[in-house]
Amino acid sequence: DAKTTQPPSMDCAEGRAANLPCNHSTISGNEYVYWYRQIHSQGPQYIIHGLKNNETNEMASLIITEDRKSSTLILPHATLRDTAVYYCIVRVAGSNTGKLIFGQGTTLQVKP
Amino acid sequence: GAGVSQSPSNKVTEKGKDVELRCDPISGHTALYWYRQSLGQGLEFLIYFQGNSAPDKSGLPSDRFSAERTGGSVSTLTIQRTQQEDSAVYLCASSLSPALTEGYTFGSGTRLTVV
Repeated sequence: DAKTTQPPSMDCAEGRAANLPCNHSTISGNEYVYWYRQIHSQGPQYIIHGLKNNETNEMASLIITEDRKSSTLILPHATLRDTAVYYCIVRVAGSNTGKLIFGQGTTLQVKP
Repeated sequence: GAGVSQSPSNKVTEKGKDVELRCDPISGHTALYWYRQSLGQGLEFLIYFQGNSAPDKSGLPSDRFSAERTGGSVSTLTIQRTQQEDSAVYLCASSLSPALTEGYTFGSGTRLTVV
């Protein structure tokens, strides 16, 4: 079972920041938070991951609370092409157990 | 190739027929995964191959489903005696290592419709 909880859907105005929350209250000390997204008719695509420090890359920023029980993915200037299902996953880095478990994710609709 | 290639992209089959879905992973990727995504649903894990190890088949929904990976490269997912509930998009992913969670690359999937 997925160890994360996300809202099923969110809207965002084009050009504004999209803030997608994720709860992972049972996260272990050695588990990272990973974000993937799935644009319609495509396979999921990796976005970003982090352990406890905030992370930023060319796609997004990841803010993890100090207690690590929740995090927020931030798309700073959402475009229509960012409309997708966003998945938050927790997993032990370097885990060799194989399969990645996806929850239901958050469907983000970016509106003009 | 540059990405994970799946074929066919679309498949319509009659109930009761067998189907084979193909996945060509990124060259050098030792780990290969199959997922299923029914309409409006999340991704359901099916099976995972890692190198020469025995595959993790824990997600296969019934014995009508099987998969093989020949030569550590191409994989085929076979569904025997297809049923309407098998209709879904079947996604394949590969990674250099299962430990590299950020390194999963997915194909565009095969959309299977059982009529």
